[in-house]
Order: sequence, then C-alpha cells, then structure tokens
Amino acid sequence: AQSVTQPDIHITVSEGASLELRCNYSYGATPYLFWYVQSPGQGLQLLLKYFSGDTLVQGIKGFEAEFKRSQSSFNLRKPSVHWSDAAEYFCAVNPGLSNAGGTSYGKLTFGQGTILTVHP
Amino acid sequence: EAQVTQNPRYLITVTGKKLTVTCSQNMNHEYMSWYRQDPGLGLRQIYYSMNVEVTDKGDVPEGYKVSRKEKRNFPLILESPSPNQTSLYFCASSPPTSGRYEQYFGPGTRLTVT
Repeated sequence: AQSVTQPDIHITVSEGASLELRCNYSYGATPYLFWYVQSPGQGLQLLLKYFSGDTLVQGIKGFEAEFKRSQSSFNLRKPSVHWSDAAEYFCAVNPGLSNAGGTSYGKLTFGQGTILTVHP
Repeated sequence: EAQVTQNPRYLITVTGKKLTVTCSQNMNHEYMSWYRQDPGLGLRQIYYSMNVEVTDKGDVPEGYKVSRKEKRNFPLILESPSPNQTSLYFCASSPPTSGRYEQYFGPGTRLTVT
C-alpha cells in the first residue's frame, strides 16, 4: 500500500529564513504528488503538484518542490519565509495513471503533516 | 462563487444516534471524497466517488456510509456513531482529468461523539 511520510512534525524558522519541508513516499511507480497548506481553522489549499516532466515545480505563494525519484522524495522549499506562511503543510500522493482503472484510482494518501511556526 | 459547502460545521451528538453530514459542490465536479483529520495522523480518506452511483472505500471506511445520487451532493452517514469517530471531517471535489486530482476542500465539520 502506498504511504507518505513527513519526518518533521513541527518546524520553527525565523522570518526571512529559507525553508525546506520533507516528504517521502512509498510506491512502486511514479505517483502524482501534491503539497497542500492548511491555515488554522481553514480547509486545505493546493500549493503545487507534480505529474511528470520537469522535476522542479513552482507553486503559489513563492513555494517550489523538487521530485527526486532516486530518493522517493518531494520536498517543499521556499527561499524566504513570511510570517503569513505559518500553517500546517501536508504532502499527498495519488497512484497516477500507472494504476488507472484499478481499485486505488481515486485514492489520495496524505502525510501526517508538518506544522510551521515563523518567528519575527 | 465556486465552492464546496458542508453542513453542519459543528456537531455534538451521542453514541448511537444516526447522523448525516452533507457536502455539496457547485463546480460540476465528478469526483468527490470524504476525509477525516486527526492530530498526528494527517488526513485519511474515508470514501470517494468517481461519479454518480459510483463509490469506493478509502483507507478508513469502517463505520461510515456514503451515497451519490446526484453529481453535486455526497453525504456522509454515520449509522451508529461512536466516540472514536470524533474528528474533523473534510469533503473535497475534483474534476477527474486522468486522475490528476486537484482537490477543492470544504471548510470542515467538527464532530464530537459523547
């Protein structure tokens, strides 16, 4: 079964510092990969996605993520964090076209989440 | 405004009393899904629906039912709620372009079962 691991439960950074949130997945093929953000009391908003092609993808709010097949990772980065980036971040995996029509075609598996705190 | 709506937003109930949480989307999306969110566990998929009358189990379907009689609605039914179903529930929808699920989430329903 596919799984997603976010090793860091909580990360604290200073405003203006760079950020990297880690995500590792366990799946045989190349899945579709996503990062979502959840602000306190809110639903989830899609930050960016990877399906194929260029392994460095750009998202909203200045975020980017890099897919590394050899490491089964999809880490989220931002060069300079703003106080408004404080939120919980979730990595998610969909099995992708390799399993189209299979029983897991519609499934989406999330990581446990990483809470980001930003100090002024 | 394109959105996913859930009702109620907050619900406190007692063990065994059947309840339904409604979910509706106005984007004509074919795919809809339910998740529960618990601290330290992230979001776990309960059920999803690829289209009207087509539903399938997610990772944690036990104790839940769903139905998809219309494209816009995807209610979540707890026939006999138990305290371990106390959680924050999210409904989501997505246009199914080759499985590339960019999901739009509702605001959430916080359920407490005593």
